[in-house]
Amino acid sequence: DVKVTQSSRYLVKRTGEKVFLECVQDMDHENMFWYRQDPGLGLRLIYFSYDVKMKEKGDIPEGYSVSREKKERFSLILESASTNQTSMYLCASSPRTGETYEQYFGPGTRLTVT
Amino acid sequence: GQSLEQPSEVTAVEGAIVQINCTYQTSGFYGLSWYQQHDGGAPTFLSYNALDGLEETGRFSSFLSRSDSYGYLLLQELQMKDSASYFCAASGTYKYIFGTGTRLKVLA
Repeated sequence: DVKVTQSSRYLVKRTGEKVFLECVQDMDHENMFWYRQDPGLGLRLIYFSYDVKMKEKGDIPEGYSVSREKKERFSLILESASTNQTSMYLCASSPRTGETYEQYFGPGTRLTVT
Repeated sequence: GQSLEQPSEVTAVEGAIVQINCTYQTSGFYGLSWYQQHDGGAPTFLSYNALDGLEETGRFSSFLSRSDSYGYLLLQELQMKDSASYFCAASGTYKYIFGTGTRLKVLA
């Protein structure tokens, strides 16, 4: 069964802390993505990666960085968390080839920055 | 800019048919996908249209018109479990742009 897992379902951090969100997929997918989801704004792409050690900025990369050292793992890093980064964070993966462009999502991490 | 527009909310009764529209403005457009998300859950893939026309998968159908930059998701024989948010997403090279989502409420 296809699986994308995220390290935490809920996370509470203080302003200024460095935060790591981990995502692991077991489908041998080349592409991995980080989104944040906020009410009324839908899913907004933060960063994506189409290969190991490769990364591309999405629509809202400011305040975030990513790391992909292994194919199955894609990490999102908040260098200095701020309250406006309180959100639901969703990781997704997809194969590079294929006609459906289907993305597989993890369960999400609800991050609260106080 | 790139954007996808969908209605914020749609309400229908059990057993009815409902259509959720999506208009898009993107560059490098490959196709239009639809995702379902229940409260507290992850988005799950429903359908994808690369070509103009209607794609049917059980009770759900999806339509695309490239010339009109428009698509829709059609849900038939609505069930209570269909109450969820539905997102359209335009796919380009490697990535998606998502719409803001339509919350579907199914009434008994």
